[in-house]
Amino acid sequence: DIQMTQSPSSLSASVGDTVTITCRASQSISNFLNWYQVNPGKAPKLLIYATSILHSGVPSRFSGSGSGTEFVLTITNLQPEDFATYYCQESYDTPLYTFGQGTKLEI
Amino acid sequence: QVQLQESGPGLLKPSQTLSLTCIVSGVSMSSDSYYWSWIRHHPGKGLEWIGYINYSGSTFYNPSLESRVIISVDTSKSQFSLKLSSVTAADSAVYYCARVIEVYTDYYYYAMDVWGQGTTVTVSS
Repeated sequence: DIQMTQSPSSLSASVGDTVTITCRASQSISNFLNWYQVNPGKAPKLLIYATSILHSGVPSRFSGSGSGTEFVLTITNLQPEDFATYYCQESYDTPLYTFGQGTKLEI
Repeated sequence: QVQLQESGPGLLKPSQTLSLTCIVSGVSMSSDSYYWSWIRHHPGKGLEWIGYINYSGSTFYNPSLESRVIISVDTSKSQFSLKLSSVTAADSAVYYCARVIEVYTDYYYYAMDVWGQGTTVTVSS
């Protein structure tokens, strides 16, 4: 099975900052990598699929990059609504989807 | 717009069977570009994919749960369901239903583009 490891596990930042979250796969997954935003009590949101393609309606301050085993989610000009937990998920080993353990972004 | 809503009992005793239903609105479930999925989130841990079903009833389950899971679909009622048998405290989690979409660019990519808000399930004697 593919293992997904995110770093850091938590991150503190301020409104207006730029942050990066890293996701590493235990084997190459090409560009089959998705990012999600999860807030307690709310429906999780798909942010990015296929490593770098922004899902419809997602602000352009979110971006993704990487390939193979290392991937990065970048959020520029942090807004108050961006403070949440972020998960990467591989879609290479379809239909078995594995998530990272999450990165909590705090103010 | 497309919406998913989970429903089911929030409290179970060990060894019981968890039964959850996801009502789908705003879209027909009868498309071969969609898969209907269940995911759970353990407190303090990451997300765990449970399994999915398509409109014709083809399923795939996480091997770690496969012996206890059944996912079914009723397109006439626009809903799909999860049954997890022999639950223990380790099955306490927030359970989400989600739609998996298939997007073709240079390859087929899959992602969960619409999620329900989740329902909390607690297993306790």
